[in-house]
Amino acid sequence: GQQVMQIPQYQHVQEGEDFTTYCNSSTTLSNIQWYKQRPGGHPVFLIQLVKSGEVKKQKRLTFQFGEAKKNSSLHITATQTTDVGTYFCAERQAGTALIFGKGTTLSVSS
Amino acid sequence: SAVISQKPSRDICQRGTSLTIQCQVDSQVTMMFWYRQQPGQSLTLIATANQGSEATYESGFVIDKFPISRPNLTFSTLTVSNMSPEDSSIYLCSVRQGSSYEQYFGPGTRLTVT
Repeated sequence: GQQVMQIPQYQHVQEGEDFTTYCNSSTTLSNIQWYKQRPGGHPVFLIQLVKSGEVKKQKRLTFQFGEAKKNSSLHITATQTTDVGTYFCAERQAGTALIFGKGTTLSVSS
Repeated sequence: SAVISQKPSRDICQRGTSLTIQCQVDSQVTMMFWYRQQPGQSLTLIATANQGSEATYESGFVIDKFPISRPNLTFSTLTVSNMSPEDSSIYLCSVRQGSSYEQYFGPGTRLTVT
């Protein structure tokens, strides 16, 4: 089935640096959701984007949905050690479960 | 939000045996799903557990290998049958309530097959 592609697969940053992960699809997405999974934990919902060009912010996190609804990004400003984990984008298809991207694993050194 | 518990939290099993994983939700939910996550990998949807009818399986997953039950709106089981080392993975139960788009995940069951 269709799967959204995520890059990069891994990213290491120094604490205080910014971080961005990108999610791309070859077809138009009906929506995009972002989840965070801490090491040893389970995925936790962060946000859903639905509208073309939509931008949403949660404190240091900024989420964008592309104008063509084929890509999305998650940007973290001034990373902290608490940001460590794997960030997944996922598409919720009508009447079905989420289909996840491969994720970007973020590590932060202090 | 929904609080989800899974049993067992982990198990080590011999190849050829079967393990049944339980998922209990603290409230009635519309949809329940089962995912598999291999170490360092993404989540792969196994099936949607339908109340009162057969589960809907994704490509590559079959009922004989992963039988699923959902007797009511708060409980489901996933059985991993005739296990092989390739079945070693984390199995996660996930739910969605009503018209909500947010999915909640259980803590997972870490399965090791030797």
